[in-house]
Amino acid sequence: QVQLVQSGAEVKKPGASVKVSCKASGYTFASYGISWVRQAPGQGLEWMGWISAYNGNTNFAQNLQGRVTMTTDTSTSTAYMELRSLRSDDTAMYYCARWGLPYAFDIWGQGTVVTVSS
Amino acid sequence: QSALTQPASVSGSPGQSITISCTGTSSDVGGYNYVSWYQQHPGKAPKLMIYDVSDRPSGVSNRFSGSKSGNTASLTISGLQAEDEADYYCSSYTTSSTLVVFGGGTKLTVL
Repeated sequence: QVQLVQSGAEVKKPGASVKVSCKASGYTFASYGISWVRQAPGQGLEWMGWISAYNGNTNFAQNLQGRVTMTTDTSTSTAYMELRSLRSDDTAMYYCARWGLPYAFDIWGQGTVVTVSS
Repeated sequence: QSALTQPASVSGSPGQSITISCTGTSSDVGGYNYVSWYQQHPGKAPKLMIYDVSDRPSGVSNRFSGSKSGNTASLTISGLQAEDEADYYCSSYTTSSTLVVFGGGTKLTVL
């Protein structure tokens, strides 16, 4: 079945970096993009950015420009999101989601908890 | 502050219908038929309920329907059931500097 499986929970100190993976299966990876969406505790969904699995093109939320990198490895059908210079307000659940035509997040990963604490 | 505006909460009794609104601008909701809606139960990942304003993915109950008028999209749930109690988020493609915007979310309580 079509699914996205994310890497496990992370605990990081302020100023560190975190890299979350998202492995796709059950569909042609290069035919869709992958978006990353985060949700701080008790808060709403925040779109972080998108990467095309076809050609690697990216688009990021303005407030994360310069701190976030998104990549894909088509040989393993895996997408990665790296967030640098972590702050306490980066503590959140991070989701990857398939995004393409239709322009909607139709498949979601199970989420990865990232905790930033000294 | 979210780019799309949703009511913080709505409620209804079992069997009733409710509607959740999602207001944007001509750069997002009003300009494209790429509005989608997501249901999120506590501790779970969001689930796509409506895409392209009014289309339902396979497996989603026909009690869920979507529409749009001008810069406002709406999600209607008819025949409310206890299992519909959840948070609901709208999202839209946008021509602003980002590709996608979300609403702030609406908590649905089934009384």
